[in-house]
Amino acid sequence: DQQVKQNSPSLSVQEGRISILNCDYTNSMFDYFLWYKKYPAEGPTFLISISSIKDKNEDGRFTVFLNKSAKHLSLHIVPSQPGDSAVYFCAASGTVGHDMRFGAGTRLTVKP
Amino acid sequence: DAGVTQSPTHLIKTRGQQVTLRCSPISGHKSVSWYQQVLGQGPQFIFQYYEKEERGRGNFPDRFSARQFPNYSSELNVNALLLGDSALYLCASRLGDSYYGYTFGSGTRLTVV
Repeated sequence: DQQVKQNSPSLSVQEGRISILNCDYTNSMFDYFLWYKKYPAEGPTFLISISSIKDKNEDGRFTVFLNKSAKHLSLHIVPSQPGDSAVYFCAASGTVGHDMRFGAGTRLTVKP
Repeated sequence: DAGVTQSPTHLIKTRGQQVTLRCSPISGHKSVSWYQQVLGQGPQFIFQYYEKEERGRGNFPDRFSARQFPNYSSELNVNALLLGDSALYLCASRLGDSYYGYTFGSGTRLTVV
């Protein structure tokens, strides 16, 4: 069962513009959400997270928004840079089990 | 400052064989989790260990097993390999028993032929 969905397999944006990556989840027990970035031949790298008690978390160029009623979160990257080109995974976790459920990923390409 | 290290980096096995993958967590990290990533999909949870005890298991057959040693390193074993077991196997470690602060290794690429 796919509890975390990233419906856009790829996204291409121009350098300097905003990148918006979307993620939907189905399990209302999830209360912690994370974004990971993955380059080829490397493991996923933690980017930013948000707890379900918040609706926004910022870290430099990266902002994550959470809409609990819609079971939707998004990652905004402003401004986008060519070095941001990677596969981005959305992950969710609940208080029971502590394991993370990942989406299928979105490949972001930032063009110079 | 070493991160999460996994060995081997690549492995080719024949159907029906058994394989053991190894993971050394970041120094001081007591929790280790294993994930399988099939091409085109996100990582899928296999096992979580904390203080040498199994804390969680994903939806994988009994052919998959794991253990954690007193030094907190871990092994993932897969018996009776199938072609569908071909994947990148990722190990992640964290300091305590919460969902914060996971750090992933670079993975072991397993190919079953």
